[in-house]
Amino acid sequence: IQLTQSPSSLSASIGDRVTITCRASDDISNYLAWYQQKPGKAPRLLIYGASTLQSGVPPRFSGSGSGTDFTLAISSLQPEDFATYYCQQVNSYPPITFGPGTKVEIK
Amino acid sequence: QVRLVESGGGVVQPGKSLRLSCAASGFFFSNYGVNWVRQAPGRGLEWVAVIWYDGENKYYADSVKGRFTISRDNSKNAVYLQMNSLRVDDTALYYCARDRLQWRELPNPDDAFDVWGQGTMVTVSS
Repeated sequence: IQLTQSPSSLSASIGDRVTITCRASDDISNYLAWYQQKPGKAPRLLIYGASTLQSGVPPRFSGSGSGTDFTLAISSLQPEDFATYYCQQVNSYPPITFGPGTKVEIK
Repeated sequence: QVRLVESGGGVVQPGKSLRLSCAASGFFFSNYGVNWVRQAPGRGLEWVAVIWYDGENKYYADSVKGRFTISRDNSKNAVYLQMNSLRVDDTALYYCARDRLQWRELPNPDDAFDVWGQGTMVTVSS
């Protein structure tokens, strides 16, 4: 199963609402996770099961979608949210696949 | 404190071998599957391999199948990645990452990788 993400990068301001889309090449139900990665750091799990917030993740992050189309939203962008975001499907493996990433930059 | 620490990376010539280790602490290691995920410089994440909690099942990405072997020693709270016939395109930062769910055997929508190490760099170059 292939994952695509859009956009590949975006520029946004503090306080903006940001949405990132992940599309699967086949139906994966809700077997989708989202990660945040900052430069020089390991990825951090944000959301699993397409919409369940991982413990300790701020509620400004939310996930939605099912089947082939998914969205990660950040309701009010904070300085610490500038990072690259990856989706991951865990429905069909091997292989487990990641999307190519979306880089969120400061406008 | 739940923690994974990778080691064993380095610079190696094409065709040579390297063995990575992932040491776990702070949780009941034998209940969890562990994955290796790599990231080439400036690139995205690529899943490499997984070993189930009991070591009974292992799966690999096509790009490493037949060259890499994942194993674990639950008595030492450790997972290993034996990498043979290394190629230049294996150059990457290698992370180990824990399955979120205990005793997971079948795909589960609530699964993900909830604990990651800091990574160990592997450079394959002549």
